Amino acid sequence: KQEVTQIPAALSVPEGENLVLNCSFTDSAIYNLQWFRQDPGKGLTSLLLIQSSQREQTSGRLNASLDKSSGRSTLYIAASQPGDSATYLCAVDAGKSTFGDGTTLTVKP
Amino acid sequence: GAVVSQHPSRVICKSGTSVKIECRSLDFQATTMFWYRQFPKKSLMLMATSNEGSKATYEQGVEKDKFLINHASLTLSTLTVTSAHPEDSSFYICSARDLHPNTEAFFGQGTRLTVV
Repeated sequence: KQEVTQIPAALSVPEGENLVLNCSFTDSAIYNLQWFRQDPGKGLTSLLLIQSSQREQTSGRLNASLDKSSGRSTLYIAASQPGDSATYLCAVDAGKSTFGDGTTLTVKP
Repeated sequence: GAVVSQHPSRVICKSGTSVKIECRSLDFQATTMFWYRQFPKKSLMLMATSNEGSKATYEQGVEKDKFLINHASLTLSTLTVTSAHPEDSSFYICSARDLHPNTEAFFGQGTRLTVV
């Protein structure tokens, strides 16, 4: 059974700081890995999708990497802003998506 | 990217009544749809997988008689919460993928159900 772990569970940083969110998974037989953002009381916003054959994806200040053999992915956020405050979820897709518990990020002005 | 529409976005119902949530794939044919539930401050837990024209496969611990799933067409799946109780209050979200199993699954906007 696939298990997805996200570390840390919560993170508070001052504005402007670069930060890394971690996601690990136990079964490397995946199709893709996706990072989502969820604001309180809201649905999911897809940030980046990495196919199993890819190593990384970039979108603006976000960069996600994937090391399938070690079962790890990281989401790098550059120059963080208060508007980045949200819960970040990673989901591993092996036919059906398994989510981590998320990292709640707070960026202080 | 492809669009998955979920309706309603919010619903309040009385205890003992049933409520139906719809999940539609707007611009692709969804062979498989998934239903998730999110408890407060928790992650999303898969409830069931539905394939068009066949019975849904429920995850362990999910009551299939309480959470009825119908996937009658390639663009529509419905989740009906029967005889709702306050403990069924939660955020429900669907996702859909097309014919190829290794393509991206697209997520709906979610439905906030409150049972009073």
